[in-house]
Amino acid sequence: EDQVTQSPEALRLQEGESSSLNCSYTVSGLRGLFWYRQDPGKGPEFLFTLYSAGEEKEKERLKATLTKKESFLHITAPKPEDSATYLCAVPRRTSGSRLTFGEGTQLTVNP
Amino acid sequence: NAGVTQTPKFQVLKTGQSMTLQCAQDMNHNSMYWYRQDPGMGLRLIYYSASEGTTDKGEVPNGYNVSRLNKREFSLRLESAAPSQTSVYFCASSEFRNSPLHFGNGTRLTVT
Repeated sequence: EDQVTQSPEALRLQEGESSSLNCSYTVSGLRGLFWYRQDPGKGPEFLFTLYSAGEEKEKERLKATLTKKESFLHITAPKPEDSATYLCAVPRRTSGSRLTFGEGTQLTVNP
Repeated sequence: NAGVTQTPKFQVLKTGQSMTLQCAQDMNHNSMYWYRQDPGMGLRLIYYSASEGTTDKGEVPNGYNVSRLNKREFSLRLESAAPSQTSVYFCASSEFRNSPLHFGNGTRLTVT
């Protein structure tokens, strides 16, 4: 069964304190891994797509990386406005239209 | 550019009542989706429409029906609401089947 597991469930950082979020998956024949950001009361907002092991994507203080078993979202020198829930998702092996989402990591950055 | 627009934003129903959630996108996307988000369960796909004129069941379709009215609009209907359908409902669209999703801001539904 396709599974996506995110850790930690929640993370509190001080402003400027860098860290990483993890997304591990069990889908074979990966056809992409998506990262989203979700603010309270809003829908998820697309951040990155990664397709192959070794690939990296960057946007401001965020960098996403991908291995054969997991993806990391590195946050460098975070600011309070980076506080959000970060979700990862992978297309199901049997149907690319269906994404399996992780439950997310709730990030809080204190000033 | 509005993106994906959902109405209503909030709704309270009594058990057994029916309602339709509306969704429209202005990005000329081919595929549209309905998800529900519950604490501890993450986002789960209810129904999707890979292209205009087609609809398919997702993970949790029971108790719901959908209509892809045209390329822009995709509605979700609850025929007889149940407390288990209390959730936040998100509509999303994508250019193609495996493209990134663009989400609306959700409908918060409570069934009493």
